[in-house]
Amino acid sequence: DARVTQTPRDKVTEMGQEVTMRCQPILGHNTVFWYRQTMKQGLELLAYFRNRAPLDDSGMPKDRFSAEMPDATLATLKIQPSEPRDSAVYFCASGFALQETQYFGPGTRLLVL
Amino acid sequence: GDSVTQMEGPVTLSEEAFLTINCTYTATGYPSLFWYVQYPGEGLQLLLKATKADDKGSNKGFEATYRKETTSFHLEKGSVQVSDSAVYFCALNRMNRDDKIIFGKGTRLHILP
Repeated sequence: DARVTQTPRDKVTEMGQEVTMRCQPILGHNTVFWYRQTMKQGLELLAYFRNRAPLDDSGMPKDRFSAEMPDATLATLKIQPSEPRDSAVYFCASGFALQETQYFGPGTRLLVL
Repeated sequence: GDSVTQMEGPVTLSEEAFLTINCTYTATGYPSLFWYVQYPGEGLQLLLKATKADDKGSNKGFEATYRKETTSFHLEKGSVQVSDSAVYFCALNRMNRDDKIIFGKGTRLHILP
């Protein structure tokens, strides 16, 4: 049963520290999405990739966030420096280009103190 | 721009009650429509979908019909169970313009035994 995996599942850090979240998409999928979920804003799209190329990162604060796909089996989302307002659950999802279903990972719950 | 509006929660029902969660959309063209479900502590997963007008999507006793004339995709279930307690997201895709899915804000459902 293929699944999207994310690490870590939980992260507590102090303001100003660097945070790196990792995602392994389902093998063969060629699109990867990063979302942030908060009670206040709901689900927000931060960035997405097709065939490892970033197509849209307009939802991402550029000064502190960065997203990359070093290879087809790994996507990373980095926050540097982190701030308390970054506290949220971050989800990775993958799928096939121009097809309809996205498969979500279990999320990384981030708390910045 | 494309958007999805769904009823605010939380919705609290007793077990075996009838469920309706309203969803309306605004979109260019004729998108595919989805309901995703998020169980506590997990990522979103596809519940059902419909790809054209008058299509009915169904899964796990849930149903939704694509109504072009009212731009709606309401989720229904005839007899809910405690295990249906979750957050439900209505969503649409962007008609092959890109890979994005536009999500509503989600409706939290509580089922009381």
